Amino acid sequence: QSALTQPPSASGSPGQSVTISCTGTGTDVGGYNYVSWFQQHPGRAPKLMIYEVSERPSGVPDRFSGSKSGNTASLTVSGLQAEDEADYYCSSYAETNHLVFGGGTKLTVL
Amino acid sequence: EVKLVESGGGLVQPGRSLRLSCAASGFTFDDYAMHWVRQRPGKGLEWVSGISWNSGDTGYADSVKGRFTISRDNAKNSLYLQMNSLRAEDTALYYCAKDFRSSIGGGMDVWGQGTTVTVSS
Repeated sequence: QSALTQPPSASGSPGQSVTISCTGTGTDVGGYNYVSWFQQHPGRAPKLMIYEVSERPSGVPDRFSGSKSGNTASLTVSGLQAEDEADYYCSSYAETNHLVFGGGTKLTVL
Repeated sequence: EVKLVESGGGLVQPGRSLRLSCAASGFTFDDYAMHWVRQRPGKGLEWVSGISWNSGDTGYADSVKGRFTISRDNAKNSLYLQMNSLRAEDTALYYCAKDFRSSIGGGMDVWGQGTTVTVSS
């Protein structure tokens, strides 16, 4: 079970859009539509932002969107705001009752 | 209010055991799969283990397989993690998390605040 691959960092100015990638294999991201994205502020528990590749839980702004192509999933944050600065993690179902996380991406709002 | 509260963490010597608990409230506990996720100091999230709604299916990360055992008591709305043969690398903040499906793998929509486990002599 290898971790999914995310860029360690991403950045953008307020109002801009930024996309974070999450690359796996055909036995996790590419094989199932069970990709989730989590936001984690320092000292806080993770918060679900996207589930099942592109679904948004109630209360999550529509500035956050998800997609998938092949073995790579993506999280796009549009209209960046200061409060979006946080760590972002992807996760995926990975066969036979396993889940796997990405290594995390630190998003900086310039 | 949907809530998960972890307990049972602490300082333990290498090779010893510890049992974590997670008390759930505000939702129908036995409708959903549950997970344990850990975060080592300054590091990312690591899925540790998951269990389906009726305990019929369980899964473990390779790093804990054979040492950790996940279980649940639906009558008590509680999730557990029995951790044996603890190692220094098990030192982490352990989160309890609710799946939004009854089977393992849908994703985690509710998280507790975590309980800290420190393995050191």
